[in-house]
Amino acid sequence: AQSVTQLDSQVPVFEEAPVELRCNYSSSVSVYLFWYVQYPNQGLQLLLKYLSGSTLVKGINGFEAEFNKSQTSFHLRKPSVHISDTAEYFCAVYEDSSYKLIFGSGTRLLVRP
Amino acid sequence: DAEITQSPRHKITETGRQVTLACHQTWNHNNMFWYRQDLGHGLRLIHYSYGVQDTNKGEVSDGYSVSRSNTEDLPLTLESAASSQTSVYFCASQSQGNSYNEQFFGPGTRLTVL
Repeated sequence: AQSVTQLDSQVPVFEEAPVELRCNYSSSVSVYLFWYVQYPNQGLQLLLKYLSGSTLVKGINGFEAEFNKSQTSFHLRKPSVHISDTAEYFCAVYEDSSYKLIFGSGTRLLVRP
Repeated sequence: DAEITQSPRHKITETGRQVTLACHQTWNHNNMFWYRQDLGHGLRLIHYSYGVQDTNKGEVSDGYSVSRSNTEDLPLTLESAASSQTSVYFCASQSQGNSYNEQFFGPGTRLTVL
């Protein structure tokens, strides 16, 4: 079965600083990867996804992620964060064998002024 | 605009009671999912449905049931609520076709079992 690891449960960062949220997945032949964001008291919304093609994926709100097959990683980055980026971020992988999304445990991004 | 709604948004109940959480989507999506969110676990799949009269168990289905009588609704029932089922519950829907299509999430229901 596929699995997703988000090693950082919380990442504090100052406003306008760059940030990277780490995600590693278990290897598989076909890999479809997603980042979702959850703002306080809301449901999840899709930030970006990698299905195939270019390994650098751009998403909404200035976020991007890079698919690295050799390191089985899909880290999320933003060059300059805003207070409004404070949220929980979930990495997920689509599991071929069961047709389901497998989520990581989440990383809470806390942006300080 | 199409949307996915959940009700109630907050619920407090007692151990042993039956509870039903509603999920309604106007996307006309065939696929619907129920997840629970707990600290340190991310989202875990409870049940899912790929169409009317179709239901399937996810990884944490014990103590929960669903039914799909129409395209728009997938209610989640806790037959006899337990304190371990205190959690935030999310419903999601997805268009049919590629299973890696985006899932659209509802706002969640916070359930407390006393």
